[in-house]
Amino acid sequence: DSGVTQTPKHLITATGQRVTLRCSPRSGDLSVYWYQQSLDQGLQFLIQYYNGEERAKGNILERFSAQQFPDLHSELNLSSLELGDSALYFCASSPQSAGQETQYFGPGTRLLVL
Amino acid sequence: KNEVEQSPQNLTAQEGEFITINCSYSVGISALHWLQQHPGGGIVSLFMLSSGKKKHGRLIATINIQEKHSSLHITASHPRDSAVYICAVNVGSFQGGKLIFGQGTELSVKP
Repeated sequence: DSGVTQTPKHLITATGQRVTLRCSPRSGDLSVYWYQQSLDQGLQFLIQYYNGEERAKGNILERFSAQQFPDLHSELNLSSLELGDSALYFCASSPQSAGQETQYFGPGTRLLVL
Repeated sequence: KNEVEQSPQNLTAQEGEFITINCSYSVGISALHWLQQHPGGGIVSLFMLSSGKKKHGRLIATINIQEKHSSLHITASHPRDSAVYICAVNVGSFQGGKLIFGQGTELSVKP
């Protein structure tokens, strides 16, 4: 158990809908990262938040947005869902925002868009 | 060409064999990570390296910064080592903790 929690574990929804994925980092960790893992693209970095502020951005679609709240939990919002958004979404956390830190991964949310 | 390349993509071994998985990268990095993903999907961090070598149990990871290459070795492999092993790099300390991933190596260890 990494100490990172994600909810829900599974999500099935329809095209055009909007969903929210939630992540609680390990106690004391200030950074939260979001990753998408799809069969054709593998693991891809989406976005990082550090202590409430966006720190780094990857290949995140405009239909996707994220935020980190004062209690450090984070939410990833996916809207106007398409079939291709079906994937496993991981969040990870680390103590700071340095380039040399172990990241602790949550169990993931499996999203299926029908 | 991917910035992080792993080889082999698939590997089948007999229990007890010595296993090596390779990772090459083409970008400047501040650290390299080896991750393990089990069939259930969960990801566990095995090692983070910025130089030299690290050992944990039967696992050894090495990195050669000049050659932009890292290897993950598993000694005395066991069926429970069956998983996907993923190499990932931090692309510089000023870009936070962003990771770029290799495509993974699927390892199957037969009893």
